[in-house]
Order: sequence, then structure tokens, then C-alpha cells
Amino acid sequence: AQSVTQLDSHVSVSEGTPVLLRCNYSSSYSPSLFWYVQHPNKGLQLLLKYTSAATLVKGINGFEAEFKKSETSFHLTKPSAHMSDAAEYFCVVSPYSSASKIIFGSGTRLSIRP
Amino acid sequence: GAGVSQSPSNKVTEKGKDVELRCDPISGHTALYWYRQSLGQGLEFLIYFQGNSAPDKSGLPSDRFSAERTGGSVSTLTIQRTQQEDSAVYLCASSLEGQFSGYEQYFGPGTRLTVT
Repeated sequence: AQSVTQLDSHVSVSEGTPVLLRCNYSSSYSPSLFWYVQHPNKGLQLLLKYTSAATLVKGINGFEAEFKKSETSFHLTKPSAHMSDAAEYFCVVSPYSSASKIIFGSGTRLSIRP
Repeated sequence: GAGVSQSPSNKVTEKGKDVELRCDPISGHTALYWYRQSLGQGLEFLIYFQGNSAPDKSGLPSDRFSAERTGGSVSTLTIQRTQQEDSAVYLCASSLEGQFSGYEQYFGPGTRLTVT
């Protein structure tokens, strides 16, 4: 069975400070892991993905995530938040062998304080 | 190239009416997904099509919901006898099914359905 847990429903940081959005997963397969971002009234956009290559994955807009198998985590980070980062972020787990079992986390809303 | 498109972008309907939502996936993408996103909620998987295989309908919430995909391309999600709880944004995504693709999904802008 698979599951994904986004540990924070809402994160608020000041502009210029680091961002940490937490995601833990459970999978009986070797999963692919993704982070998607959804800006207000916009479609979902892929930020980055892990597919069993390098454990530290760099994505767009300065975001990166580290796959830690021992901790079953795939936390999303950014060194310095920008106002334009305010959005909803979804962690996604997908078994390597079956696209129909893709599971989205419940989302983390990121707010940026000026 | 063109991304995933959905129509209509907004749909307001009366309770009890049927609605059809359309999705045009990216050309060449063999996998197509429908999700529902209710206000302030995450994505709820509805149905998945892959090539000519039988669709995975395990996420459809009731028999009022159905979907088809014609010619391996365009898909239509139909909701019969709409209820107020059907109000949500319906998202379509497609992906290039392949062993090394990691099943990255490309999402359309969604159809916002409001049932009055």
C-alpha cells in the first residue's frame, strides 16, 4: 500500500528566509516522487521529480528536495523565499510500475510575509 | 507545443442536470487522468486511461460519474443528475507512459463546476 503525508497544512515564512515543506511517504515499491505547485487560479505545475537517480533533486525556481529512504521523506526546500512562491504545494508518490496508483498529498499552503 | 486543454473553463448548472467536461491531452501522451479538487482540498483521483487498456475507474465516487476516451485522445467526463456536492474543480492530466518517464503529469487548467 502507498500513502503520502504532508505534515503541515500551512507554512508561513518571511521573504528572504528558508522554506521547508515536509513530506513523508509509504510505498511497498520503489517509488517516483514529485512536488507540484499550484498558484492561485492556475493549473498544477511540476517543480521537481525523483526517479531513483540522484537523491538530491533540483527543480525550478530554486527549489530542491532530498530523497531519504531511511526516513521515508522527500522534503522540499528553498534557501530564500520570494513573494512569488506563495502557492499550494503537493507532494506526490507514484509506484514505478503503475501510473494508476499515483497518490497526491493533501497539500501545504505556503504564505510569504513581506 | 500545446499543453493539456480543458473545456469549458467554468460551468454553472442546476441540480439534477447532466454535464460533460472535455479534456484534450498533449499529443502523443498515452495516459490520461481525471481528478477532482474540492475547495481547500487536495486532489481526488477519479479515473485513469492508458492506451487501449480498460480504464481504472476505482476513483469514481458514484455511478453518476462516467468517462470515455475516444481514439486514445480526447476524453469526456460525464456527471449525470448533478448534486451540489459535485461542485469542484475537475482537473485533467496526461503523461507520456514509459518505463523511465517517472509518470510526470501535465495538467490542464481545470473546469470549475458549480451546481446550484
